[in-house]
Amino acid sequence: EDQVTQSPEALRLQEGESSSLNCSYTVSGLRGLFWYRQDPGKGPEFLFTLYSAGEEKEKERLKATLTKKESFLHITAPKPEDSATYLCAVNYGGATNKLIFGTGTLLAVQP
Amino acid sequence: NAGVTQTPKFQVLKTGQSMTLQCAQDMNHNSMYWYRQDPGMGLRLIYYSASEGTTDKGEVPNGYNVSRLNKREFSLRLESAAPSQTSVYFCATLRQGSDEQYFGPGTRLTVT
Repeated sequence: EDQVTQSPEALRLQEGESSSLNCSYTVSGLRGLFWYRQDPGKGPEFLFTLYSAGEEKEKERLKATLTKKESFLHITAPKPEDSATYLCAVNYGGATNKLIFGTGTLLAVQP
Repeated sequence: NAGVTQTPKFQVLKTGQSMTLQCAQDMNHNSMYWYRQDPGMGLRLIYYSASEGTTDKGEVPNGYNVSRLNKREFSLRLESAAPSQTSVYFCATLRQGSDEQYFGPGTRLTVT
């Protein structure tokens, strides 16, 4: 059964304190692993797609990496505006792009 | 260019009542999706539509119906609402040639 597990559930960082969020997955044939950011009361916002082990993508202070069993979202020198829930998802539907989401990591960055 | 819009933003229903959640997009995307988001459960796909006139079930379709009458709009109907359908509902679209889904702002539904 396709499954996505994120850890930790919540993370509190001081501004400038780097850390990583984890997303482990089991899927029969990975067709894409996705990271989204969700602010309170809003819909998720796309960040990255990764397709194969060893792939990395960066955007400002965020870097996503992928292995055969998990993905990491590294946050370097975070700022308070990086506070949000970060969601991981995998594509189980192939061309239909049907996604299974993890439950997310709630990140709070304190000034 | 409004992107993905959803109406209403909030709704309270009594058990057994029916209602339709509306989603519209102005990005000319073919694929559209309905998700629900519950605490501790994450986002779960209810229904999917690849194009006008076609729909397909997701993970949790029971208790819902959908309609895709044209390219712009994808509606979700609850025929007889139950407290278990209390949730935040999100509509999303998929940009052609990419895997990037665009989400609407959500509808917060409470069934009492």
